[in-house]
Amino acid sequence: GQQVMQIPQYQHVQEGEDFTTYCNSSTTLSNIQWYKQRPGGHPVFLIQLVKSGEVKKQKRLTFQFGEAKKNSSLHITATQTTDVGTYFCARLLSGNQFYFGTGTSLTVIP
Amino acid sequence: SAVISQKPSRDICQRGTSLTIQCQVDSQVTMMFWYRQQPGQSLTLIATANQGSEATYESGFVIDKFPISRPNLTFSTLTVSNMSPEDSSIYLCSGGSADTQYFGPGTRLTVL
Repeated sequence: GQQVMQIPQYQHVQEGEDFTTYCNSSTTLSNIQWYKQRPGGHPVFLIQLVKSGEVKKQKRLTFQFGEAKKNSSLHITATQTTDVGTYFCARLLSGNQFYFGTGTSLTVIP
Repeated sequence: SAVISQKPSRDICQRGTSLTIQCQVDSQVTMMFWYRQQPGQSLTLIATANQGSEATYESGFVIDKFPISRPNLTFSTLTVSNMSPEDSSIYLCSGGSADTQYFGPGTRLTVL
């Protein structure tokens, strides 16, 4: 289908622990985007990955695109309470429609 | 980047009535979309708002129920018609390009 699956659905971590969410598709992705939605807020764009095997970093966040372009991951090192929220991956289809993944809700325990 | 505003921010409506949500972008964008999001759930794409032509609807969404206008590159409206309690949700518009989307703050709709 058009939706991409994310695992885990929920993750609780102690502050300072690492966190990873995975985005998996049964079909090849032309690109993958990641968004963060804080509780009560709207999705905010984080990054786009386009190339096979691409790795991008934003401070404590590391984004990877799989070699086969069917999966992606977001890794947060040493989580902080400001990392709380739901992380979504999103795919762009040829008709210029964006479909969001199922999301991973991150809770950081101080 | 783009800043997107939506109004109303929230509304409580009676079943059978209609509500029009407005989405304004502070700069011209190539793409605009409308999404629906239930609490704790992901975003479901309703339609792509096409400038000067009919919107492109996703499976399960029809023009009679969710008419959309996009008269220019910075503005779009979504109408939720003949509302029922099942339409209670958060409605989000987004605008941007193929490289990124910026979201409005959302409209929280409650249908009684």
